[in-house]
Amino acid sequence: GENVEQHPSTLSVQEGDSAVIKCTYSDSASNYFPWYKQELGKRPQLIIDIRSNVGEKKDQRIAVTLNKTAKHFSLHITETQPEDSAVYFCAASADSGGYQKVTFGTGTKLQVIP
Amino acid sequence: DTAVSQTPKYLVTQMGNDKSIKCEQNLGHDTMYWYKQDSKKFLKIMFSYNNKELIINETVPNRFSPKSPDKAHLNLHINSLELGDSAVYFCASRYHGGRNTGELFFGEGSRLTVL
Repeated sequence: GENVEQHPSTLSVQEGDSAVIKCTYSDSASNYFPWYKQELGKRPQLIIDIRSNVGEKKDQRIAVTLNKTAKHFSLHITETQPEDSAVYFCAASADSGGYQKVTFGTGTKLQVIP
Repeated sequence: DTAVSQTPKYLVTQMGNDKSIKCEQNLGHDTMYWYKQDSKKFLKIMFSYNNKELIINETVPNRFSPKSPDKAHLNLHINSLELGDSAVYFCASRYHGGRNTGELFFGEGSRLTVL
């Protein structure tokens, strides 16, 4: 089955700096890579996703890159703000053919220091 | 409008008891999931149903029994609760359409505490 590793487990940055979270996956059939943000006591919510036919995707201050050959993908947050503080999860899923689960990484706790 | 709703949000019970958590989604999705989030925040899939049919069953003790009366509902019953069952249980749903499979939507979570 799919195995998703995520680093770092904790990350502290100064407000305005950039934050990068990296993930690797094991199943070459995986083709959908979402990122979820979970604020304290809340549900995980999708912030950005990428499919395997795309190498990079941006949405305002967040961007995700995917390297299929190396089986890794990364989340980049620029100009961080205190409200970006949360736990971030990467995930992977093979969505073509059959019913596949979304496998999550172990999470990164991001703290943005004002 | 709440997209994925779970009840109860909080559940405190004694070891050995039986309890249920209910989940409903009004998004028209065909696939529903139960995830367990432990104290370390790991999100682990437990079960998945597609159109009322069990499609994913991870290594979960037999004390956990999911039931899907229709594609909009997925309930979780837990027998003989143990201390290690304490966690937040998230229900989630998505539309499964092969390459067009959509975003996974989570419910608010049900925090189970076993004493």
